[in-house]
Amino acid sequence: AQSVTQLGSHVSVSEGALVLLRCNYSSSVPPYLFWYVQYPNQGLQLLLKYTTGATLVKGINGFEAEFKKSETSFHLTKPSAHMSDAAEYLCAVKRTGSARQLTFGSGTQLTVLP
Amino acid sequence: NAGVTQTPKFRVLKTGQSMTLLCAQDMNHEYMYWYRQDPGMGLRLIHYSVGEGTTAKGEVPDGYNVSRLKKQNFLLGLESAAPSQTSVYFCASRASPDNEQFFGPGTRLTVL
Repeated sequence: AQSVTQLGSHVSVSEGALVLLRCNYSSSVPPYLFWYVQYPNQGLQLLLKYTTGATLVKGINGFEAEFKKSETSFHLTKPSAHMSDAAEYLCAVKRTGSARQLTFGSGTQLTVLP
Repeated sequence: NAGVTQTPKFRVLKTGQSMTLLCAQDMNHEYMYWYRQDPGMGLRLIHYSVGEGTTAKGEVPDGYNVSRLKKQNFLLGLESAAPSQTSVYFCASRASPDNEQFFGPGTRLTVL
């Protein structure tokens, strides 16, 4: 079975500071991993995904994530936070099985301080 | 091309009332999903469908029913609403298991 753990339900950073959002996964098969962003009162938007190949994945809005198999991690980073990055961030793993639905972590609310 | 739409956006029910949430997609996707989002719990899968006329249970199916009579529509029903079903409900669709999943804007449901 696949599962995802996001450490830190709330993270605050200053504008211009590094953003680091943590995600660890559990999977018995090579995982497909995703980061979604959710702005207030909106649906989910795909930030980036890892399937196979290069372990450093670049996404939209300057975000990137690195797949580290030895650490079972897929942490999300951005070198310099912007006020517009304030949102909920959800990590997800694709499950095995015919429908291969996503299993989500509990989410991390990012606050950017001026 | 509207993508994934959900109706209604907001709803308040009294305990015991019934309602149906509609999800529609215009991308000809085979796979459709209903999730609920609760604080500190991420998104949890309620039911899903791998094609017209098919449905299957997800992680938290109790108290909900679904139907997929038309490929473009996926309906989520609450026969007798309970306060524990207060949540934000998201619908999603994808063309195949290996394609990106697209989400609707959500329905905020409150059960009093």
